[in-house]
Amino acid sequence: AQSVAQPEDQVNVAEGNPLTVKCTYSVSGNPYLFWYVQYPNRGLQFLLKYITGDNLVKGSYGFEAEFNKSQTSFHLKKPSALVSDSALYFCAVRFQAAGNKLTFGGGTRVLVKP
Amino acid sequence: DADVTQTPRNRITKTGKRIMLECSQTKGHDRMYWYRQDPGLGLRLIYYSFDVKDINKGEISDGYSVSRQAQAKFSLSLESAIPNQTALYFCATSAGLAGTDTQYFGPGTRLTVL
Repeated sequence: AQSVAQPEDQVNVAEGNPLTVKCTYSVSGNPYLFWYVQYPNRGLQFLLKYITGDNLVKGSYGFEAEFNKSQTSFHLKKPSALVSDSALYFCAVRFQAAGNKLTFGGGTRVLVKP
Repeated sequence: DADVTQTPRNRITKTGKRIMLECSQTKGHDRMYWYRQDPGLGLRLIYYSFDVKDINKGEISDGYSVSRQAQAKFSLSLESAIPNQTALYFCATSAGLAGTDTQYFGPGTRLTVL
């Protein structure tokens, strides 16, 4: 069965330092990969997605993610974190064999300290 | 996303009560979804609808029902609420572009069942 894992419940980083949020998946076949962010008392906001093509995807607010097929990973990155990036981040995967349903990871809370 | 609205935003109810959560969208999307969010579990799909005449169960549909009143409206009902249905509920929409489409989320309804 398909699954998505975000191995870190929380990531702490100092403002200005690089930020990485990890995501791995298990599936046979080609997945579609998404990142969403949730700010307090808000719904999920779309950041970026990988469908096909270039493995490095650029998205909103300076975020990017790299699709690595051999490692079945899709880590989210930002070169220089801001305090305002503190939020809950979700990786999601859609597998064609699963009727195109979106499966979410458990979420990673990011805390950026000034 | 202001194009997807949910009412109420907060609801406290008692065990055994029937309640309805409502979702409306102005994005013109055919596809609508209901998810629940629990800490550490990410979002799990309850029901989804690909058009007005199409309703499908998600991974956790027991104890829930839905109604797609129009393209823009999708309601979730808890027939007889129980405490383990306490969660944050999200409605989402998508255009349905061959599985690559992005889902757009409402602000959520926080439900507490006492």
